[in-house]
Amino acid sequence: KQEVTQIPAALSVPEGENLVLNCSFTDSAIYNLQWFRQDPGKGLTSLLLIQSSQREQTSGRLNASLDKSSGRSTLYIAASQPGDSATYLCAPGGTGFQKLVFGTGTRLLVSP
Amino acid sequence: ETGVTQTPRHLVMGMTNKKSLKCEQHLGHNAMYWYKQSAKKPLELMFVYSLEERVENNSVPSRFSPECPNSSHLFLHLHTLQPEDSALYLCASSQGTSSGNTIYFGEGSWLTVV
Repeated sequence: KQEVTQIPAALSVPEGENLVLNCSFTDSAIYNLQWFRQDPGKGLTSLLLIQSSQREQTSGRLNASLDKSSGRSTLYIAASQPGDSATYLCAPGGTGFQKLVFGTGTRLLVSP
Repeated sequence: ETGVTQTPRHLVMGMTNKKSLKCEQHLGHNAMYWYKQSAKKPLELMFVYSLEERVENNSVPSRFSPECPNSSHLFLHLHTLQPEDSALYLCASSQGTSSGNTIYFGEGSWLTVV
């Protein structure tokens, strides 16, 4: 059974800092991994999708890397802004019906 | 118009009530999902509908009953719920179920069981 751990559980940084969120998973037999953002009381928004054959994906100030063999992914946020404050979740995807398994997330607060 | 719309956004119901959550997707997708998000727990997949076939998490109690009348609409029928069922229920959709398809979520329905 896939288990996903995200560290740290919460992070508070001043605006402008570069930061790294970590995700580890126990079953490396994944097809892809997605990073999501969740604002308080809202649904999830997909940020980046990395295929198992890829090492990283970039979108704007976000860069996600994947090391499938070691069961790790990182989300790098450059030049953080207050608008980046949210909970970030990673979800490795298995076979079949998009069987994403989610971590409990990292709650990020970026202060002005 | 948002891609995945859920109604109601908030619902309070007694343990003997029967209610339903509704989800509609406007993305032309052919797979829809129900997830449960409880405080301090990971999202839990409850049901998947793909091309009218249903796949469910065997740990979901029978007091939750999904219905998918077509590829754009998904319901979650609720009856005789327990207080521990209070949570955020998220609907999602994707095009196909194979690897590499981005999944889109609605904003969720907050359910409180009293």
